[in-house]
Amino acid sequence: GQNIDQPTEMTATEGAIVQINCTYQTSGFNGLFWYQQHAGEAPTFLSYNVLDGLEEKGRFSSFLSRSKGYSYLLLKELQMKDSASYLCAVRDQTGANNLFFGTGTRLTVIP
Amino acid sequence: DADVTQTPRNRITKTGKRIMLECSQTKGHDRMYWYRQDPGLGLRLIYYSFDVKDINKGEISDGYSVSRQAQAKFSLSLESAIPNQTALYFCATSDLRQTNTGELFFGEGSRLTVL
Repeated sequence: GQNIDQPTEMTATEGAIVQINCTYQTSGFNGLFWYQQHAGEAPTFLSYNVLDGLEEKGRFSSFLSRSKGYSYLLLKELQMKDSASYLCAVRDQTGANNLFFGTGTRLTVIP
Repeated sequence: DADVTQTPRNRITKTGKRIMLECSQTKGHDRMYWYRQDPGLGLRLIYYSFDVKDINKGEISDGYSVSRQAQAKFSLSLESAIPNQTALYFCATSDLRQTNTGELFFGEGSRLTVL
């Protein structure tokens, strides 16, 4: 089975940096994804990690430690439009390589 | 136009009615999925299909059925809707041949309310 944990809610200030953590337990880890979802909209792909380390993509970075079952999403220079839910998902080889999602972290960016 | 299209976008129905949610994609992906999203529970997999002849149950398939009519079409049916099937439903596609990450591409969602 899979167990994925992330904080329910976070608040951060415009222009600041925020780190959203995700811990997971899974039988056959085969990659970790981060998605952004604005209220009432579809999730959109942000980042993918399968090896340990940091992946940077503009203002967003994602880190993975497979030995610790841990990832984080780092958002820099926060903008009001970054207010959204951020979903952590793991791909599980024993689950037909399907993605299993955490409950999401709702980020509110304040002025 | 969206690459992954769901219809209807919103539906209100009564307990016991049969409901079909349809999904079509223009991405040419082989894999298609149905997820439901509930507050506090996240996205949960209902059914998935790796090609037209391949249908598989996900985490929460009870009360649902699916049909993969063509590579581009994957529909979800609720044979006899009940109130706890009220949720936001997402169709998604993926294809490891086209994207080396195999990420999911989601439709815009279908909000279903069962009274």
